[in-house]
Amino acid sequence: DVKVTQSSRYLVKRTGEKVFLECVQDMDHENMFWYRQDPGLGLRLIYFSYDVKMKEKGDIPEGYSVSREKKERFSLILESASTNQTSMYLCASSLIGRALTYEQYFGPGTRLTVT
Amino acid sequence: AQKVTQAQTEISVVEKEDVTLDCVYETRDTTYYLFWYKQPPSGELVFLIRRNSFDEQNEISGRYSWNFQKSTSSFNFTITASQVVDSAVYFCALSEAYNNNDMRFGAGTRLTVKP
Repeated sequence: DVKVTQSSRYLVKRTGEKVFLECVQDMDHENMFWYRQDPGLGLRLIYFSYDVKMKEKGDIPEGYSVSREKKERFSLILESASTNQTSMYLCASSLIGRALTYEQYFGPGTRLTVT
Repeated sequence: AQKVTQAQTEISVVEKEDVTLDCVYETRDTTYYLFWYKQPPSGELVFLIRRNSFDEQNEISGRYSWNFQKSTSSFNFTITASQVVDSAVYFCALSEAYNNNDMRFGAGTRLTVKP
C-alpha cells in the first residue's frame, strides 16, 4: 500500500513564526503535491514537484515555499505565518505519466492554526 | 480552464437508502481524467476511482457505481444501500492529460448517513 505520512496532525503557531510541514512517501513516486483545504473551496494546489529539487507553483503559492532535497520528502514552508494561513494542509504523491494522469495518494493532513 | 462543480454541499440520508452525488465538469481538452475521492472524518483522502474520457462505460464496485456521461459533462457517483461508514466528504476531481499535474477538485459533498 502507498503510504504518505505528514509530520504533525495538529499544529498551533504564532503569527510571524516560520513553520515547516514535512511529508514523506514510501512508493518512489515522482510527483508530490501540497494542497490546502478550506470549507467550501475544496482543495487548492499550493506547489508541486515532479523531481528532486524541481518545483512548480500552483494556484496559491503566495506566502509559501517548498523544498525537495530527496525524492521521498517534500516540505512546505510558511516563511512568516499569518492568521489567514490557518487551514488543513494535505500532502499527496503520484506516479508521473505522459499524457495520462495517475491518481494521487494523500497523507492524513495537518491542521494548522495560526494565532 | 478546467472546473469541477459539486452542487450538493451536504446530503443526509437514512441507512439503506440509495444516494447519488453529482459532479459536473468543464474542460476544453478531449483527453482528460476524472476521479472520485472519499475523505472520512479521519481526514485522509482515499482514492475511489479514475476514469478516462474515452471510456464511458459505467462502473460498479460493490455498493458503489459511477455514471459517466460526456454529453452532459457529468460523472455521478451512486452509493446503494448506504451505511453509516459511508459518512464522509466526497470529492470529484478532473485532470487534463497534457497538464496532468493540475488536478482540479470540486468543493466536495458532505454525506451523512444516519442509522
